[in-house]
Amino acid sequence: AQSVTQPDIHITVSEGASLELRCNYSYGATPYLFWYVQSPGQGLQLLLKYFSGDTLVQGIKGFEAEFKRSQSSFNLRKPSVHWSDAAEYFCAVAPREGYSTLTFGKGTMLLVSP
Amino acid sequence: NAGVTQTPKFRVLKTGQSMTLLCAQDMNHEYMYWYRQDPGMGLRLIHYSVGEGTTAKGEVPDGYNVSRLKKQNFLLGLESAAPSQTSVYFCASSYSFGRRDETQYFGPGTRLLVL
Repeated sequence: AQSVTQPDIHITVSEGASLELRCNYSYGATPYLFWYVQSPGQGLQLLLKYFSGDTLVQGIKGFEAEFKRSQSSFNLRKPSVHWSDAAEYFCAVAPREGYSTLTFGKGTMLLVSP
Repeated sequence: NAGVTQTPKFRVLKTGQSMTLLCAQDMNHEYMYWYRQDPGMGLRLIHYSVGEGTTAKGEVPDGYNVSRLKKQNFLLGLESAAPSQTSVYFCASSYSFGRRDETQYFGPGTRLLVL
């Protein structure tokens, strides 16, 4: 069965510092890959997605993610974090065949310190 | 274009009571989903639908029923609420299988407290 691991439950980053959130997946074939963000009390918003092609994907709000097949990873990065980036971030995968159901990681809570 | 909307936003139930959560989407999506979100558990799929008149079980379907009588609506029912069903419920929708854009679009959530 497919699974998604986000090893960091919480991460604290200083404002202006760089950010990397880790995501590893376990799946027979390369799935579709997504990163969602959830601000407090809000629904989920798509940051970026990888389907095929260039392994470095650009998203909204200055985020990017790199797909590394050899490591089964899809880490999210941002060069300079803003206080408004404080939120919970979810990595998710969906199979390339069959019905389009997402499997989510358990999330990483990002805290931004002044 | 409202996207995905959920009704109600918040509800308190007593154990044993029933209720229905409504999800509506105006994007003509074939697929619709119900998730629950609990602290430290991420989002878990309850039920989903691949088209009008169809439903299927997800990861945690027990205690819930769903119906998709109209393409734009997906209802989640709790026949006899239990405290373990206290959660935040999210609805989502996406285009049909085979399209490149498999992104799921989420509603704002319904917070349910079962006493």
